[in-house]
Amino acid sequence: KNEVEQSPQNLTAQEGEFITINCSYSVGISALHWLQQHPGGGIVSLFMLSSGKKKHGRLIATINIQEKHSSLHITASHPRDSAVYICAVRGRKLTFGTGTRLTIIP
Amino acid sequence: AAGVIQSPRHLIKEKRETATLKCYPIPRHDTVYWYQQGPGQDPQFLISFYEKMQSDKGSIPDRFSAQQFSDYHSELNMSSLELGDSALYFCASSTRSGERGDEQFFGPGTRLTVL
Repeated sequence: KNEVEQSPQNLTAQEGEFITINCSYSVGISALHWLQQHPGGGIVSLFMLSSGKKKHGRLIATINIQEKHSSLHITASHPRDSAVYICAVRGRKLTFGTGTRLTIIP
Repeated sequence: AAGVIQSPRHLIKEKRETATLKCYPIPRHDTVYWYQQGPGQDPQFLISFYEKMQSDKGSIPDRFSAQQFSDYHSELNMSSLELGDSALYFCASSTRSGERGDEQFFGPGTRLTVL
């Protein structure tokens, strides 16, 4: 069983839909990262959070430390949001989830 | 704003050759991390440096070595390259202070292909 699990693995949605990606982890962490990786590989850090909720534009990230669960939400999704979204937890090192491939159809 | 710079962006080598990957962190960032992402795989942590000293070590093969220099840039040296070393190598940097302290900012990666 992976230490960090994401769901769904793949998600296809219509432009404008509300998107939720989930991340569950089984180890103690000091923080959780949400990352975005586009085709071609570059990784962009979206959020780092250790409690509560953060919002940046159309993106919202929440974390529940007791339940060891985090969610990434995208409101009013757009085709340019199409990417792989990766949850990574920071304990002694950064451990990555397997990613969620999001495709937004115009 | 300045981001993490990696060079080269692409590198092609043959088996048993050596390669050196470079990472230039965001200005005033004191910590550098190296990750390896194989085709279709999650990134795996290799090694990290804080203030020019190795701070943590992950699944870095003995054939690889790395260091952080006085200007905080880091180099990953890879020797006796194998086909399985073909991967995307990411560098990330962070600082312990400020609003986004400890958050890792990733470079664009170096895509290494071993033939």
